[in-house]
Amino acid sequence: IAGITQAPTSQILAAGRRMTLRCTQDMRHNAMYWYRQDLGLGLRLIHYSNTAGTTGKGEVPDGYSVSRANTDDFPLTLASAVPSQTSVYFCASSASGGATDTQYFGPGTRLTVL
Amino acid sequence: GQNIDQPTEMTATEGAIVQINCTYQTSGFNGLFWYQQHAGEAPTFLSYNVLDGLEEKGRFSSFLSRSKGYSYLLLKELQMKDSASYLCAVREGDYKLSFGAGTTVTVRA
Repeated sequence: IAGITQAPTSQILAAGRRMTLRCTQDMRHNAMYWYRQDLGLGLRLIHYSNTAGTTGKGEVPDGYSVSRANTDDFPLTLASAVPSQTSVYFCASSASGGATDTQYFGPGTRLTVL
Repeated sequence: GQNIDQPTEMTATEGAIVQINCTYQTSGFNGLFWYQQHAGEAPTFLSYNVLDGLEEKGRFSSFLSRSKGYSYLLLKELQMKDSASYLCAVREGDYKLSFGAGTTVTVRA
C-alpha cells in the first residue's frame, strides 16, 4: 500500500441500509478526514480525526459516524442511508496540525443511494 | 466559517496563460491551498500560501493578499493535460480546510 486507499470504489445501496466506507493510510499521518463532493458545492468536511482515539464533527456530520481505533484506519459509517447521501466520498490525511500541513486525498468512493 | 468564491468555468488556448481568482472571508486565516482535480480522480496538492506574495512552482504560480482576502492561481504555457478543476481551500485553525466549489478549466488546441 502506498498513500491512501479507499474501498469500495463504487457502491449502489438501497435506502435504509447500513454502509461502511473504508479508508486506510500507510503514511503514519496523525490527522484524517472525510469529505463528500457534490456538483456545484465542492468538497464539504463530514468528520475528522486529529489523532487516533479522537474524532470531531465537520460541516455536514448528520447521518454519518466515524471511529479512529488506530492511526491507519478511519472508517465512515452511514447508519441508515438516504438518497441525499448520494455523493463521491473522499478520505484524506495529513501529517499533523500546523500552518504548512498538506492534506492528501484517497481515490474516492462513488456512492449511489436509491 | 468561510465564504470562498471562485469562477465556475474558464476556457483557454493551449500555450496561453490563465488566472483563476479566489476570494474568501474568514475569521481566522491560517493558509490558502490550491488543488488540481482531474475528472473522476482525487484532488492533488498544487500550492500553499500563508504570507502575502507570489509562490512559483514551474508553470504554476499562486499569489496571496491577506488584507484583501484574495488569491489567484496562474497557469502558464497551458497544456491539454491542464484541463481539470482547480480548487481553492482556506485553512482556519490547525486542521480543517474549507473548499470553494472549484473552477473547471478547459484547454483547447
